[in-house]
This record gives sequence, structure tokens and C-alpha cells, in this order.
Amino acid sequence: AQSVSQHNHHVILSEAASLELGCNYSYGGTVNLFWYVQYPGQHLQLLLKYFSGDPLVKGIKGFEAEFIKSKFSFNLRKPSVQWSDTAEYFCAAARREAGTALIFGKGTTLSVSS
Amino acid sequence: DTEVTQTPKHLVMGMTNKKSLKCEQHMGHRAMYWYKQKAKKPPELMFVYSYEKLSINESVPSRFSPECPNSSLLNLHLHALQPEDSALYLCASSRERGQEETQYFGPGTRLLVL
Repeated sequence: AQSVSQHNHHVILSEAASLELGCNYSYGGTVNLFWYVQYPGQHLQLLLKYFSGDPLVKGIKGFEAEFIKSKFSFNLRKPSVQWSDTAEYFCAAARREAGTALIFGKGTTLSVSS
Repeated sequence: DTEVTQTPKHLVMGMTNKKSLKCEQHMGHRAMYWYKQKAKKPPELMFVYSYEKLSINESVPSRFSPECPNSSLLNLHLHALQPEDSALYLCASSRERGQEETQYFGPGTRLLVL
């Protein structure tokens, strides 16, 4: 069965620190990959997505992610976090064929102190 | 515009009540989804509709009954729920259930079953 693993449950950083959140998926076929963010009290918002092509994708708010097929990974990065980045981050995957729905990782809580 | 709206925002119901959650999108999307999200957990897929027809039911108990009366509207009818059904219910939509599709989420309905 398809699954998505996020290695970090809770990450605590100071402002201006660099961020990398790990995500691995367990499916050998072609997948679509996503990072969603859920700010406190707000709904899920799409940060970025990967379907095909350039494995380095850039999203909103300075986030980027790199798809490494050989490692089944899709890690999220940001060079310098801000207090406003405090949120829950979810990695998600969907099998390309038949447009199956999203499988989410357990999420990573990011807390940024000013 | 990538807006999915959900009503009500909050709902409290007893175990013998019947209530409905409503989801609406006017983006012309033909695929719509219901997810359930417990506190500090990732969203879990419940149902998928494609072109107003139920495509996926993830073994959801019959006390949850989805309905898609038209391409813009998705309902979730609730009857005889249990306290453990208390959660945030999220609706999402995508253009289609295709190979390169992005799901856009609504703000959710926070349900409390007493």
C-alpha cells in the first residue's frame, strides 16, 4: 500500500535559520507529490507540487522542494524561515494513474521563534 | 479563484441528530472529495466524486452519506454519529480525477458529537 513518511514530528527554529523537512513515499510507480501548509486556525493551502520535469520545484513564500526519484524523497526547504512560517506542514502523494486521491504524511509542526 | 467554501464552520450535534455538511466550488471542477482530519493528524480520505458519481468510498460507515446533487455542490449527510466522529471535515476539489491534478481545500467544518 502507498504511504508517505515525514521524519520530523516537531521542528523548532529561530528566525533566519534554514529549514529542511523530510518526506519519503513508498510507491514504485509514477506519483504526483505535494506539500501543503496549515497555518493555525486556517485551511490547508498548497505550497508547491511536482508532476514531472525539473525535479527542483519552487513554491510560494520562498519554499522549494527537490524530487529525488532514487531516494523516493521530496524534501521541503527554505533558506531563511520567518516567524510567520509557524504552521503544520503536510507532504502528500497521489498515484498518477487513475487520478487516485491524496495520501498524506503525518505532518510536521514547525515552530519559529522570533 | 481557487476557493472552496464549506458550511457550517462549526457544528455540534447529538448522537441521535441528523445534520448535513455542505461544500461548494465554482471553479468548474468535476472531482470533489471529503476528508476527515482528527486533531494533530493528517487528513484521511473518505469519499471521491467524479462527474457527480461516487468513485471512491474508503470503507466509511453508513452513518456518513455523501451526495453530489450537481457539479458545484457536495453534501455530507450525518446520522447517528458517535463521539469519536468528532473531527474537522474537509472538502476539496480538482479539475478532474486526472493524472496531473491539484486538489484545493476548503476551510472545513469542525464537528463535535456529544
